[in-house]
Amino acid sequence: QSALTQPRSVSGSPGQSVAISCTGTSSDVGGYNYVSWYQQHPGKAPKLMIYDVSERPSGVPDRFSGSKSGNTASLTISGLQAEDEADYYCCSYAGSYTGVFGGGTKLTVL
Amino acid sequence: QVQLVQSGAEVKKPGASVKVSCKASGYTFTRYYMHWVRQAPGQGLEWMGIINPSGGSTHHAQKFQGRVTMTRDTSTSTVYMELSSLKSEDTAMYFCAREGLTFYLPYWGQGTLVTVSS
Repeated sequence: QSALTQPRSVSGSPGQSVAISCTGTSSDVGGYNYVSWYQQHPGKAPKLMIYDVSERPSGVPDRFSGSKSGNTASLTISGLQAEDEADYYCCSYAGSYTGVFGGGTKLTVL
Repeated sequence: QVQLVQSGAEVKKPGASVKVSCKASGYTFTRYYMHWVRQAPGQGLEWMGIINPSGGSTHHAQKFQGRVTMTRDTSTSTVYMELSSLKSEDTAMYFCAREGLTFYLPYWGQGTLVTVSS
């Protein structure tokens, strides 16, 4: 499987909104509603932020939301805060009990 | 609470094998699939494979065909990932991660650094 395509970097000022895209194919993102998003700070394990395209685990602020259209999923972070600065990865089920991650996006809070 | 505790860092020579363990606690071990994910230094996350702790069935990314073996020991609630024919490109942090109700990973181990160097 090829990695899902994410922008290398995005940025925004505190209080603004940013969106991170994640583009795959009909064999992964487009074929299943099993897209998840992970936040990773340097030297730490990834943290689940969104699952099943748009579901938010308990404890994750409602500033984080997810959506999908066709073969592209998106993570939107509204009301940016300094602590949101991190790397973000999407992940999709790709059939036959396999998965695939995106290349990752570095979010900078200006 | 769910905990995944991985084995310690390893240094291996090219061509050797490494076996990383992941001991689970805080839930019924056989009820949830376990995944393996790796991250090379400064690089992104890479999905490696999955094991069903109940029956032991496994699936892995095509890239690791013939080199990765995932096993489990239900008596100790531990899963193992063995990677053979190591190359310098296999130098990475290796994570185990427990699946949720569908294909997502709410719980992660602390990671095991594997360094492949002559």
